Amino acid sequence: AQTIHQWPVAEIKAVGSPLSLGCTIKGKSSPNLYWYWQATGGTLQQLFYSITVGQVESVVQLNLSASRPKDDQFILSTEKLLLSHSGFYLCAWSLEGDWGYEQYFGPGTRLTVL
Amino acid sequence: EQQVQQSPASLVLQEAENAELQCSFSIFTNQVQWFYQRPGGRLVSLLYNPSGTKQSGRLTSTTVIKERRSSLHISSSQITDSGTYLCAMEGNSAGNKLTFGIGTRVLVRP
Repeated sequence: AQTIHQWPVAEIKAVGSPLSLGCTIKGKSSPNLYWYWQATGGTLQQLFYSITVGQVESVVQLNLSASRPKDDQFILSTEKLLLSHSGFYLCAWSLEGDWGYEQYFGPGTRLTVL
Repeated sequence: EQQVQQSPASLVLQEAENAELQCSFSIFTNQVQWFYQRPGGRLVSLLYNPSGTKQSGRLTSTTVIKERRSSLHISSSQITDSGTYLCAMEGNSAGNKLTFGIGTRVLVRP
């Protein structure tokens, strides 16, 4: 069975500090991978997607970057955090099925920037 | 910009009551997915319903593509159904981007 892990579970960081969030998918080969972000009380927004290793596309500009160093790993990072980066970050995966790309989400990382 | 509207914004149910949640889209879509967001934030996929009617346990979703809407019916609600229900659509942008609604908050009372 496929599993999706995110780390860390939660982070409290200072403005201007670096950040690295990770996501690993096990049990699926070459999935599409996605990063989403949800501000407190806000809607979920897709930030990045990746169809294959080494290829990442940006959807929303939030002074964040993403990388896919391995088939099953997706990393979200920035060198300088802003207060506006606070929120809930979700990683998701999908594979093409009969009806399209149903997406499955990880447990999320809650980030607080002070 | 594609948008997703959900109604009602919140709902209070007595245990065992039924509920109907609505979702409408600003553009035509061929992929609709309903999620339950737990209080801690985790998203659970409930139903993937690009068209027609799909059922999973006590949940039934009906999507009418030409009317750009989808609904989620909860039958015989339970206290554990309390939480936020999100509707999402995939539009015509790259990256299988899901656009989410703000959600419907459901509270089921004993």
